[in-house]
Amino acid sequence: AQSVTQPDIHITVSEGASLELRCNYSYGATPYLFWYVQSPGQGLQLLLKYFSGDTLVQGIKGFEAEFKRSQSSFNLRKPSVHWSDAAEYFCAVAGFKNNDMRFGAGTRLTVKP
Amino acid sequence: DTGVSQNPRHKITKRGQNVTFRCDPISEHNRLYWYRQTLGQGPEFLTYFQNEAQLEKSRLLSDRFSAERPKGSFSTLEIQRTEQGDSAMYLCASSPLGVREQFFGPGTRLTVL
Repeated sequence: AQSVTQPDIHITVSEGASLELRCNYSYGATPYLFWYVQSPGQGLQLLLKYFSGDTLVQGIKGFEAEFKRSQSSFNLRKPSVHWSDAAEYFCAVAGFKNNDMRFGAGTRLTVKP
Repeated sequence: DTGVSQNPRHKITKRGQNVTFRCDPISEHNRLYWYRQTLGQGPEFLTYFQNEAQLEKSRLLSDRFSAERPKGSFSTLEIQRTEQGDSAMYLCASSPLGVREQFFGPGTRLTVL
């Protein structure tokens, strides 16, 4: 069965600092991988996705993520964090045949001024 | 295109009452999904429709939960005889056929007293 682990429940970074949010997945084949962001009281917004091809994918708002098959990871990065990036971030995995997504528990990002 | 909409945004009910939530997907999106999100967790898949057909419902939490999409457009999620443990955010998402990413609505927050 597919599953997602986000090891960090809460991360605090200073504005302008770099960011890396970790995501590890479990799936028997090449998965479809996603990062979503959720602001308080809001739905989820897709940041980026990986299906195949280039393992470094670019997303919106300056985010990128790298798929590493050998480590079963899909970590999210941003070179310089802005105060507006404070939110909850979710990694998700979907299978080729499945139509549901499995989400991690999320990482809450706090940005210090 | 106004995105996925959900109504109501908030619902407070007493234990034992029935509640119904509505989801209007993005126009022409064939697939519609329901998720539950509890505090501090990622969304948990409940069920999904392709047009009016409910193709997966084994993950509905109990027989008190049911969903419909009678004309392949909007969908409703009903919870009968609500319990305090049903308090959560209920999210709806939609996607076109052949597209893996899902587009989420703002959610309906249910509080059962």
